[in-house]
Amino acid sequence: SQKIEQNSEALNIQEGKTATLTCNYTNYSPAYLQWYRQDPGRGPVFLLLIRENEKEKRKERLKVTFDTTLKQSLFHITASQPADSATYLCALDTGRRALTFGSGTRLQVQP
Amino acid sequence: EPEVTQTPSHQVTQMGQEVILRCVPISNHLYFYWYRQILGQKVEFLVSFYNNEISEKSEIFDDQFSVERPDGSNFTLKIRSTKLEDSAMYFCASSESQVVAYEQYFGPGTRLTVT
Repeated sequence: SQKIEQNSEALNIQEGKTATLTCNYTNYSPAYLQWYRQDPGRGPVFLLLIRENEKEKRKERLKVTFDTTLKQSLFHITASQPADSATYLCALDTGRRALTFGSGTRLQVQP
Repeated sequence: EPEVTQTPSHQVTQMGQEVILRCVPISNHLYFYWYRQILGQKVEFLVSFYNNEISEKSEIFDDQFSVERPDGSNFTLKIRSTKLEDSAMYFCASSESQVVAYEQYFGPGTRLTVT
């Protein structure tokens, strides 16, 4: 079965720095990988989607990379702000319309 | 901006009772989903629904669960004979595209507490 791991449970950084979150997967080559933000007690909010034939995707201060050889995706937030503090989830999409989520990385941006 | 809504926000029920969780997906969306998140754990896929039938379901989605789209706007998850371990946050989601690459829009969730 698919396994998706986000190797940092928590990440603390200073405001203005770049946060880098890692997502690793095994046992399957996903067609797409997605990143979501989740605030406490709320539903996940879609951020970015990257396809297997794409190396990098950007949206404002966010950047996602996808390395199918390493089976890894990196998620970057540049010029981080306290408002970026949340849990970030990566999710595998195998093309069956059933997302498999990682356990998330809780990001805390200190002012 | 259109959003997925869910009711109730919190449901408390006794073990063995039936519950129905309700969702109104975004109006032009074609695919509907239910996920659950036990406190402190991962978001887990339960079921997807398209064209009035189940498209995919996980091992969690056993005979205790059922889904229905009773009218043109609502999408429901029924849990028969609830168990303590059904206590979780249940999220409804929807997506618009028949193209495989899609984003899912999640609702705020219903917190189910089984006592």
